[in-house]
Order: sequence, then structure tokens, then C-alpha cells
Amino acid sequence: EVQLLESGGDLVQPGGSLRLSCAASGFTFTNYAMNWVRQAPGKGLEWVSFISGSGGTTYYADSVKGRFTISRDNSKNTLYLQMNSLRVEDTAVYYCARWDSWGQGTLVTVSS
Amino acid sequence: DIVMTQTPLSLSATPGQPASISCKSSQSLLHSDGKTYLYWYLQKPGQSPQLLISEVSSRFSGVPDRFSGSGSGTDFTLKISRVEAEDVGVYYCMQAIHLNTFGGGTKVEI
Repeated sequence: EVQLLESGGDLVQPGGSLRLSCAASGFTFTNYAMNWVRQAPGKGLEWVSFISGSGGTTYYADSVKGRFTISRDNSKNTLYLQMNSLRVEDTAVYYCARWDSWGQGTLVTVSS
Repeated sequence: DIVMTQTPLSLSATPGQPASISCKSSQSLLHSDGKTYLYWYLQKPGQSPQLLISEVSSRFSGVPDRFSGSGSGTDFTLKISRVEAEDVGVYYCMQAIHLNTFGGGTKVEI
């Protein structure tokens, strides 16, 4: 059974940094591209970032480009999202997603 | 950027009756590989999104056959042949031909 378990969400001040993790199990992690998707409170879904199975290709939404970095450690079956220069508008539940499977999400709150 | 527009914003459904949701993209989602990269998701209250349909019309494993997807190019439809109480939630379409973009969502209530 595919399982994706996010962690690392927290309350952080504007301008701060946070690293999210997503532990994957139940499938051959290196064979799958992965994504981060976020959902602001009461809002819809917003794609954030993509990484290929090898980690060699990454893409970002314009809203996070230059501030967020996606990465993966295939030896640990773990996906990461390094978030820097956080803004109030980054407040959201962050999901890791394989498109056919999603984690339960982790809440990031950016507030002073 | 590709814009995905869903209608209606909300839908009050009657159990046992059909329901449909429209999704329009600002550009064709037909790839040169012949596939059309349009997906449908359902986010039930308090849950993560779950995949219903991939590539316009392929039902994901375990998805009831009352759900069907159709369309081509820029116009797509998700149909529920007979709505059940468990179908409540927010439905999203998503394009995957150029990065990814979600529609704004359609809230289905009974």
C-alpha cells in the first residue's frame, strides 16, 4: 500500500525558514516523480513544485520560485521542501503527492 | 500559464440523480504523445484529495463506475450517473500537460 507521510509543518514568522519532509513507503520511490501541493485555509489546491524520480529535474510555481527548493533522498525514500523567506500568504496545508496518492498534509502557518 | 475554469462553483445534488461538472482549459491539453493530460480529484470533507479519473476518462483503481469522464482538447466533463451521499466534497480538475494547474473546485452537497 502506498503511504506518504508529511512532517515539519509549524508556526513560523514572516521571513523565516522551514523544511518539510515526506516519507514514502509501499512503492519503489525512485521510479516516481513527486510533487508538493498546498491548500490555503478554505481555499483550493495550488501546485507548488515537481521533482523527477532521479531528482535531476525540478519545476516551481512562480509564487515560490527562488524561495522554495524541492529535493529528494532516494536512499531514504524521502521527499523534501525547503522553504525560505516565508510570507503570510504561504500559510497552507502542504501535501506531497504522487498524483495517484496523496499524503495527509502538514500545516504551515506564517504569522508574527 | 494554463488556466482551468470549473463550473458550477457549487452543486446541490439529489441522491440517485445524475450530476455533472464542467472543466475548461485555456489551452489544449492534447499532448504530442496522443494523450490528454486532464485529471479529476475529489476532496471529501477533512480528507486529502483522491484521484478519480486520469487522462480524461480512465477511472482510477477502486473508483465506482458511476463516475465517468469525457471531453477533448479544452472542454471536459465529469459525470456522476447516480449521486450517493458519500460523493459529497469538492471536485477539482487538474491539467498536467504544462506543469500543473487545478481548477477552482466544485462543491457538491446533498
